[in-house]
Amino acid sequence: SQKIEQNSEALNIQEGKTATLTCNYTNYSPAYLQWYRQDPGRGPVFLLLIRENEKEKRKERLKVTFDTTLKQSLFHITASQPADSATYLCALVKYSGGGADGLTFGKGTHLIIQP
Amino acid sequence: DAGITQSPRYKITETGRQVTLMCHQTWSHSYMFWYRQDLGHGLRLIYYSAAADITDKGEVPDGYVVSRSKTENFPLTLESATRSQTSVYFCASSGTYSEQYFGPGTRLTVT
Repeated sequence: SQKIEQNSEALNIQEGKTATLTCNYTNYSPAYLQWYRQDPGRGPVFLLLIRENEKEKRKERLKVTFDTTLKQSLFHITASQPADSATYLCALVKYSGGGADGLTFGKGTHLIIQP
Repeated sequence: DAGITQSPRYKITETGRQVTLMCHQTWSHSYMFWYRQDLGHGLRLIYYSAAADITDKGEVPDGYVVSRSKTENFPLTLESATRSQTSVYFCASSGTYSEQYFGPGTRLTVT
């Protein structure tokens, strides 16, 4: 069966350090992968999208890598701040002959940046 | 105001009642989605729509009905609510089936 796995345990990082979150998937051949941030009581907010032919994408302090051989994406936040504390979700979109087959989310990793 | 809105934000209903959750977006996005979010399951796709009058099932469609007569609206109906449908429901829209923009959510409790 198709699975998306993210670290279920909370990730505690000291302020100023780089936080690295992992998203692993099985039995997918995704066209692209997305990362979202979700704060308590709110809807997810889109952060970055990376396509299968891209190895790396950057946006300000955020960096995403996508390794289709390892079936893994890494999400990095450099110079982390307490305001970066949130749950981060990865999501995959795949296409079949009939078009987009749906967007599937991982369960998310709760990131805590400690001052 | 531009954006995506959901109503109601909170709803308590009884088992067996019909409930409709509303979703409205002002971007004229083609795609719209309904998800439910539960502890231990994360976000799961219920239904999605690629355009007005085009809808398709997601991962967990049983017990739900959708319609999309206008591009900007995508209501979700629980025809006969069950306790297992207690959840937080999120609506989202997307212009190109890429990044999705989520509403604030509706917290539904079925007693």
